[in-house]
Amino acid sequence: DVKVTQSSRYLVKRTGEKVFLECVQDMDHENMFWYRQDPGLGLRLIYFSYDVKMKEKGDIPEGYSVSREKKERFSLILESASTNQTSMYLCASSTPGRGLVQPQHFGDGTRLSIL
Amino acid sequence: GQQLNQSPQSMFIQEGEDVSMNCTSSSIFNTWLWYKQEPGEGPVLLIALYKAGELTSNGRLTAQFGITRKDSFLNISASIPSDVGIYFCAGPRGNSGTYKYIFGTGTRLKVLA
Repeated sequence: DVKVTQSSRYLVKRTGEKVFLECVQDMDHENMFWYRQDPGLGLRLIYFSYDVKMKEKGDIPEGYSVSREKKERFSLILESASTNQTSMYLCASSTPGRGLVQPQHFGDGTRLSIL
Repeated sequence: GQQLNQSPQSMFIQEGEDVSMNCTSSSIFNTWLWYKQEPGEGPVLLIALYKAGELTSNGRLTAQFGITRKDSFLNISASIPSDVGIYFCAGPRGNSGTYKYIFGTGTRLKVLA
């Protein structure tokens, strides 16, 4: 089974701090994604990466950056945390479809609170 | 832009009842995915559909790819308390190729014992 591991289940940080959320997958997947999940808004894509050192902005990249130095690890960085970034953050990974859409596999999420 | 509308948004049902939910898209999809998210967990893939008209089962769950390619349906038979959670549909986004998705806002299911 695919295993996507997020480093923290719960995290509390203060406004202005630089926050790192880590995600590791063990299936050699090329694609990795970061979403945030808020009530009534569903899953919104922040950033994704389709290869090491490659990244693209999603729908809501403002206030975030990412790093992918190794294939198995994808980090989400909140440059200067703000209270409106309090949310559930979900990491996912998938293989390239090669003509067939491949499902994404999710981690258990990090519930981040910014005080 | 693309939108996925799920209905109902939430539902309370009695244990043992059958459940139906659906997802409609503003554009044609070539793939439909259904996920379940339990409280405090990440979404888990339930069923993937790749062909219009396809009907696929996973235990008590059955999903169908609508023939118009703009909708999909998920049915749960004889619900049990562990069916509680949020059910999401998802499909490929625009011209993203084969790896980016758009997700519905979910159907929250609560089962009364």
